[in-house]
Amino acid sequence: AIQMTQSPSSLSASVGDRVTITCRASQGIRNDLSWYQQKPGKAPKVLIYAASSLQSGVPARFSGSGSGTDFTLTISSLQPEDFATYYCLQDYSYPWTFGQGTKVEI
Amino acid sequence: EVQLVESGGGLVQPGRSLRLSCAASGFNFGDSAMHWVRQVLGKGLEWVSCINWNSASIGYADSVKGRFTISRDNAKNSLYLQMNSLRTEDTALYFCTKWLAGLEYWGQGTLVTVSS
Repeated sequence: AIQMTQSPSSLSASVGDRVTITCRASQGIRNDLSWYQQKPGKAPKVLIYAASSLQSGVPARFSGSGSGTDFTLTISSLQPEDFATYYCLQDYSYPWTFGQGTKVEI
Repeated sequence: EVQLVESGGGLVQPGRSLRLSCAASGFNFGDSAMHWVRQVLGKGLEWVSCINWNSASIGYADSVKGRFTISRDNAKNSLYLQMNSLRTEDTALYFCTKWLAGLEYWGQGTLVTVSS
């Protein structure tokens, strides 16, 4: 199975900060990666698919980049509603695998 | 409006079986790839299984392969997860989710607790 190593596991940030979260795949996965945001008690929400495509309705402050093994989710200016846990997911091959998650805290 | 409603969770003893269901509405279920994702409360997400529109392509996480079976009934707009030989580590909230551009739609989940 492809391992997805996500870092950091948590970070502290302030409103207005630029935040970067990375995911590294144990083997090349082309651009078959998506990013999710999850708030407590809620189902996850897709932010980015195909590594860099912004899901409809997601604010433009979210962006994704990368291909092959290294991927990045960037929040250009952190807003209060962005404090949540973020996950990457590879859909290149079965079994699909999530990263361990990154909790973004104040 | 897309709706995914899971059911069938509950308390079950180790080694026993449980069948989860997901009722879909608001989209063409028969054209959609569907997935199960689980989450131990307070922990991360784990992809469990998926099935394509005509059941020709199915995948499982290593942790459930040989014990869980995913299926669908397009006439009933329903997705299923048959879980056999349940273990305590299968205790989690199980989400039904629809793939389009990413895992785009999610239910609210059904809680499975495996305990003696």
